[in-house]
Amino acid sequence: NAGVTQTPKFRVLKTGQSMTLLCAQDMNHEYMYWYRQDPGMGLRLIHYSVGEGTTAKGEVPDGYNVSRLKKQNFLLGLESAAPSQTSVYFCASSPPSSGGMDEQFFGPGTRLTVL
Amino acid sequence: DAKTTQPPSMDCAEGRAANLPCNHSTISGNEYVYWYRQIHSQGPQYIIHGLKNNETNEMASLIITEDRKSSTLILPHATLRDTAVYYCIVRRFFGGGGADGLTFGKGTHLIIQP
Repeated sequence: NAGVTQTPKFRVLKTGQSMTLLCAQDMNHEYMYWYRQDPGMGLRLIHYSVGEGTTAKGEVPDGYNVSRLKKQNFLLGLESAAPSQTSVYFCASSPPSSGGMDEQFFGPGTRLTVL
Repeated sequence: DAKTTQPPSMDCAEGRAANLPCNHSTISGNEYVYWYRQIHSQGPQYIIHGLKNNETNEMASLIITEDRKSSTLILPHATLRDTAVYYCIVRRFFGGGGADGLTFGKGTHLIIQP
């Protein structure tokens, strides 16, 4: 049981390049999330998904697109990378909330640098 | 979701109890208090959550004041591995119908001293 995995772990892009970050979970969770974390800050929500084929915008969605074609995978795309998107990206997943329990399981993160 | 206030940093001696405070004076009746922590460079990890009553699990205890405007996370016997940023998050319960993300502040950087 690998939990939440993210690919790649590190990436350096030039301004204007595109890339896709992959998040995979093997816990059969309905909900998945993408966050970014800038130095000295807490995590901020980019996009999330409450089920296969559905996505929604979070706090900082501009410049990113997402897709959830399969329940276990959640892709984050940068169409034209900018230096402001240099950050650490975390993916998370969670089962439907039950009895107040709302634990999100996080991946190890992807460190992205845009030059 | 209600806003939370935490001290930016705290020290605690190894083996002692670490008490991390959190103020959430605007919390509403259907909002829970959650605690997560983030060990350096890793993804955040869930610790504990509660609504009104005090809660305890294998990792920590959560004490919520009677008016629910503040809470304290207690690590009973802190070890060096407990050095991390601890986030207090207030969030409403969504039931089975859906959920959005967590709102993280800057948290408290807890440093356990040997």
